Amino acid sequence: QKEVEQNSGPLSVPEGAIASLNCTYSDRVSQSFFWYRQYSGKSPELIMSIYSNGDKEDGRFTAQLNKASQYVSLLIRDSQPSDSATYLCAVNDGGTSYGKLTFGQGTILTVHP
Amino acid sequence: DTGVSQDPRHKITKRGQNVTFRCDPISEHNRLYWYRQTLGQGPEFLTYFQNEAQLEKSRLLSDRFSAERPKGSFSTLEIQRTEQGDSAMYLCASSLEWDTSGNTIYFGEGSWLTVV
Repeated sequence: QKEVEQNSGPLSVPEGAIASLNCTYSDRVSQSFFWYRQYSGKSPELIMSIYSNGDKEDGRFTAQLNKASQYVSLLIRDSQPSDSATYLCAVNDGGTSYGKLTFGQGTILTVHP
Repeated sequence: DTGVSQDPRHKITKRGQNVTFRCDPISEHNRLYWYRQTLGQGPEFLTYFQNEAQLEKSRLLSDRFSAERPKGSFSTLEIQRTEQGDSAMYLCASSLEWDTSGNTIYFGEGSWLTVV
C-alpha cells in the first residue's frame, strides 16, 4: 500500500510569517511530487511540482525534496490570509505513464491577520 | 468554457438509489481520471481511461461502481445501490499527456454526493 503522510494540522500562522508543510511517502519508486492547494468546496489547484532533489522556488513558494529520506516539503513565505486553504501533497508512481496520483490527507493552513 | 466539466455538481439521494455522474473532459484530452474525496481526506484514485479503454481500476471501485467512456469523449460514473459511505466528492480530471511537471492534468470542480 503506497502511502503519503502529511503533518497533522491544522496549522495556524500569523500574516507575514513562513508556513512550513511536510510530507513523507513510502514508495521509493515515486518520481514526481506535487503540492496542491484546495479551497473549501473547490477542486485541487496545482501550485508546485518537483522531481529532483533539492529546492525549487516559485514566487513565495519553495518546494524541497529529499528522496533519500522520502520527504518533501513546502514553504510559504510572507503568508497571506488568501493562503488559508488545505494543502495536499501528491506523488506520482514512477512506474506509470499517466496522471495517477496518490494524495496525502491534507494539512489545513490558516493565516490570521 | 474549455475546462473539465462535471454534472451534476450536487446530488442528494436516498440510500439504495442509483446515481450517475457525467464528466466532459477538455476536448482534445485522451486521458481521463476519476477520483473520490471524502471530508478531511485527500482525493483517492478510482479509475483511468485512455481514449475509450479503461486501463486501471482501483480496489476502491467496488462492483457497485461502474465507469464508462464511450467513444473516448465524455465519461460516466454510476453508483448502484448507494450507501451512506458513498457520500463524497467525485472528481474528474483529464490530460493530453503526462509529464513530471504535473501541469498537464486538469481537475473538474467535482460532483458532491450526499446519501441520506
